Amino acid sequence: DAVMTQSPLSLPVTLGQPASISCRSSQGLVHTDGNIYLHWFQQRPGQSPRRLIYKISNRDSGVPDRFGGSGSGTDFTLKISRVEAEDVGFYYCMQATHWPHTFGQGTKLEIK
Amino acid sequence: EVQLVESGGRLVQPGGSLRLSCAASGFRFSNYYMGWVRRPPGKGLEWVANIKEDGSEKYYVDSVKGRFTISRDNAENSLFLQMNSLRDEDTAVYYCARGGGAADFWGQGTLVTVSS
Repeated sequence: DAVMTQSPLSLPVTLGQPASISCRSSQGLVHTDGNIYLHWFQQRPGQSPRRLIYKISNRDSGVPDRFGGSGSGTDFTLKISRVEAEDVGFYYCMQATHWPHTFGQGTKLEIK
Repeated sequence: EVQLVESGGRLVQPGGSLRLSCAASGFRFSNYYMGWVRRPPGKGLEWVANIKEDGSEKYYVDSVKGRFTISRDNAENSLFLQMNSLRDEDTAVYYCARGGGAADFWGQGTLVTVSS
């Protein structure tokens, strides 16, 4: 299975400051169709997960442009340019190139 | 508006069975892979199973193979997860997700608790 390793697992951030989460895969994530199915999800307290970014860097509809994804090969990053109070929660990377689809352990973002 | 509504979660004893349902609306259900994802208490997300648009292909994570069965009824816009031989470690909130690995929409989840 492709093991997804996130860091940090806890991320205290001051409002208005940037935040960055790293995700590393134990395997290459290029699908036979040429795409890299690496997505990022947000799970706010008491809510279901919501996809923020798909295929490394594509923002989903309605996602603020302060969220951005990047990366290649086996290393990927989610960046928040200026953290807001509504960004509190868990963030997960997930690979859907290989079966089983696998998630990172999750990063808990909190406000300092 | 896309909606996914799970139901069927409850307290069940180890070794017992449960059937979860997910009612879909707001999109052409038969055009999408669908999947089940779970989140055990205090832990992260785990992808459980996927099913192809026409139900002809099904995929399971190793920990549930032989015990869980994913199915769908495209005429009723519904997704199901039959869970047998339940174990303590199956305790989790179970979500249905549209698009298989795309997971672009999720339901609100249903809680399954396996305990004696």
